[in-house]
Amino acid sequence: AQSVAQPEDQVNVAEGNPLTVKCTYSVSGNPYLFWYVQYPNRGLQFLLKYITGDNLVKGSYGFEAEFNKSQTSFHLKKPSALVSDSALYFCAVRDIGGQNFVFGPGTRLSVLP
Amino acid sequence: AAGVIQSPRHLIKEKRETATLKCYPIPRHDTVYWYQQGPGQDPQFLISFYEKMQSDKGSIPDRFSAQQFSDYHSELNMSSLELGDSALYFCASTYRATGGVRETQYFGPGTRLLVL
Repeated sequence: AQSVAQPEDQVNVAEGNPLTVKCTYSVSGNPYLFWYVQYPNRGLQFLLKYITGDNLVKGSYGFEAEFNKSQTSFHLKKPSALVSDSALYFCAVRDIGGQNFVFGPGTRLSVLP
Repeated sequence: AAGVIQSPRHLIKEKRETATLKCYPIPRHDTVYWYQQGPGQDPQFLISFYEKMQSDKGSIPDRFSAQQFSDYHSELNMSSLELGDSALYFCASTYRATGGVRETQYFGPGTRLLVL
């Protein structure tokens, strides 16, 4: 069965500093991996996804994520955080050819001015 | 711990029929979100409710409507079904943050709708 873990409930970072939001996954076979962001009182918005190819995926708003197969991780990163990046971030996984799409529990990112 | 419950888990309908999907949020959660994931697609946000009022609206077709009831469960009503409505419909619930309480969105297992 697929599963997604986001080990941190909350990540705090100062504006201008790099940020990392962690995600590890478990899936049989090769995964499709996703990051979504939820701003207050809004639905999920797609940030980026990994299907195949380069392990470093670039997405919206300057975010990127690095796929690491040996560590089964897909951490979300940004070189310089903005206060407006403060939101909930969800990692998700789907197995290629499968039907199930599993979301992690979410990590709240707070960027402090 | 109780999770988000969706019913039915699977549903088969024919074109032009109607369907009702139900979502029961985690106890004490006051906010419900609906998402649609088509075959090979990423989940798309449809609509959300907070305290029984529509909170945010995404790409929900006019043929669809939804509401949240006094017990906070929500129903997604789909009319004049089309083949393209075949998808996995996720519901998620959360307790809207006040005073810094963490507001994680918990997803249900989804309802798989097949329109023939």
